[in-house]
Amino acid sequence: DQQVKQNSPSLSVQEGRISILNCDYTNSMFDYFLWYKKYPAEGPTFLISISSIKDKNEDGRFTVFLNKSAKHLSLHIVPSQPGDSAVYFCAGSSGAGSYQLTFGKGTKLSVIP
Amino acid sequence: NAGVTQTPKFQVLKTGQSMTLQCAQDMNHNSMYWYRQDPGMGLRLIYYSASEGTTDKGEVPNGYNVSRLNKREFSLRLESAAPSQTSVYFCASKSSGKKETQYFGPGTRLLVL
Repeated sequence: DQQVKQNSPSLSVQEGRISILNCDYTNSMFDYFLWYKKYPAEGPTFLISISSIKDKNEDGRFTVFLNKSAKHLSLHIVPSQPGDSAVYFCAGSSGAGSYQLTFGKGTKLSVIP
Repeated sequence: NAGVTQTPKFQVLKTGQSMTLQCAQDMNHNSMYWYRQDPGMGLRLIYYSASEGTTDKGEVPNGYNVSRLNKREFSLRLESAAPSQTSVYFCASKSSGKKETQYFGPGTRLLVL
């Protein structure tokens, strides 16, 4: 049973346009969500997070939106840059197990110059 | 600071061989984690250690053992490697508290023949 779902394995976007990456979750106990970015042959790096008490969090070009009633979150990147090309993982945390994270399968973003 | 380091970077094993993957962090983090990533899959938690002296199973613990040697080091052992354990292994660490993020190492690529 996948608790975190990223239904789009890949996404291509033109440079300068908006990238929207989506994530759905089923575990109602999740109260904190994170997005990680991963380049090939490197470990994931933290990008942005959001607490369940908020519906939006912004950091520069990156904004995460949370819709708790729909159990859906999305990551917006504006404007997209070629350096944003990477795999993006959505993760949820419930506080259980020392705040262990449950990851989605990832979405590969390609930003075309 | 080096952050989270992992050794080796790459390893080839024959079925039935044993090996230990090493992980160390220099951020004085309490919690440490071991994940595996397979093609088309997200990161799945193998084991974690909430604090020095404690370890707990994650989602996919079978075939693995761990040791939290001290606050800095958390090792993952494969006693009898199987081809199904071919994967990329990531170690991560985190401070206490919900909103602290996990920091990942660069990964160990393991091929079991």
